[in-house]
Amino acid sequence: AQSVSQHNHHVILSEAASLELGCNYSYGGTVNLFWYVQYPGQHLQLLLKYFSGDPLVKGIKGFEAEFIKSKFSFNLRKPSVQWSDTAEYFCAVRTTGTYKYIFGTGTRLKVLA
Amino acid sequence: EAGVVQSPRYKIIEKKQPVAFWCNPISGHNTLYWYLQNLGQGPELLIRYENEEAVDDSQLPKDRFSAERLKGVDSTLKIQPAELGDSAVYLCASSIGRSTEAFFGQGTRLTVV
Repeated sequence: AQSVSQHNHHVILSEAASLELGCNYSYGGTVNLFWYVQYPGQHLQLLLKYFSGDPLVKGIKGFEAEFIKSKFSFNLRKPSVQWSDTAEYFCAVRTTGTYKYIFGTGTRLKVLA
Repeated sequence: EAGVVQSPRYKIIEKKQPVAFWCNPISGHNTLYWYLQNLGQGPELLIRYENEEAVDDSQLPKDRFSAERLKGVDSTLKIQPAELGDSAVYLCASSIGRSTEAFFGQGTRLTVV
């Protein structure tokens, strides 16, 4: 069965620290990849997406992610986090055959001011 | 542009009672999703509509859950009767088509007591 793994469930960083959140998926076919963010009390919002082309994608608020096909990974990065980045981050994979989104369990990021 | 609107935001019911959730997708979005999110987990698909047709309801527990999307616009998800284990957040999302990114509503937090 297809699955998405987010290895870090809770991450605590100080402001200005660099961030990398891991995401791995299990599916051998063509996929679309997403990172969503949920700020406290708000709805899920799209941070960035990968459909095809350049495997390094840039999203909103200075986030970027790199698709490494050989590793089935789509890790999220930000060079310098801010207190306002405190949120829960979800990686999602959509298989192009079934168009079904599969979400990871999420990573809770807390940034200390 | 208005986002995906869900109501109610919160609902507390006694077990064995019926409950219904309503979703109004973004205007022009043909694809509508209902997701279930348990505490500490990522969203899991319950049903996906393309216009008024339910194209993927394989994860919907059909003995107690039902959904409809009349006229291919807004949608209702119903549970009858509710069980304690149904306590969760029910998310609605929409997208222009099955190949584009999904936009999420605020969700309805259901508590069954």
